[in-house]
Amino acid sequence: AQSVTQLGSHVSVSEGALVLLRCNYSSSVPPYLFWYVQYPNQGLQLLLKYTTGATLVKGINGFEAEFKKSETSFHLTKPSAHMSDAAEYFCAVSDLGGNQFYFGTGTSLTVIP
Amino acid sequence: SQTIHQWPATLVQPVGSPLSLECTVEGTSNPNLYWYRQAAGRGLQLLFYSVGIGQISSEVPQNLSASRPQDRQFILSSKKLLLSDSGFYLCAWSRDRGYGYTFGSGTRLTVV
Repeated sequence: AQSVTQLGSHVSVSEGALVLLRCNYSSSVPPYLFWYVQYPNQGLQLLLKYTTGATLVKGINGFEAEFKKSETSFHLTKPSAHMSDAAEYFCAVSDLGGNQFYFGTGTSLTVIP
Repeated sequence: SQTIHQWPATLVQPVGSPLSLECTVEGTSNPNLYWYRQAAGRGLQLLFYSVGIGQISSEVPQNLSASRPQDRQFILSSKKLLLSDSGFYLCAWSRDRGYGYTFGSGTRLTVV
């Protein structure tokens, strides 16, 4: 079975500081991993994904994530936070059949000016 | 390119009234379709998913139902809304494991 754990439901960073949002997964098969961002009253938008190949994945808006199999982690980072990064972030893993995706409970990012 | 449309954007309905939310996908065929709900301050709850016309899987027992009358149309319904049905409803589609989801813009439902 697959599951996703996002540590920290709320994260606050200062503008210009490093953003680190944590995601750990459990999967009985090689995982496909995703990060989504949700702005208020909007749908979720794909930030980046890992399927195969390079374990460091770059996404939109300067975000990147690294797949670490030994740590079963897929943490999301951005070197310098911007005010526009304030949003809800969701980590997700897909099942082998691809019919279902399992989401973490989300992390709300606040950027302090 | 593929697009997903979800409407209405907001809806205020009295308790006991019926519900119909519609979602359509363009630019692809035989997509996997999903309905999710977000209650205030909570994560995403999968309600229904469909891998083909007339094929509906329900994840959570509730007074909601879903139908897929056409390949790219997914409808969420209720005969009688409850206060607890309030939330943000999201439709999504996917084509395979590596593709991920594409979400609609959501419907904010308030049951009063």
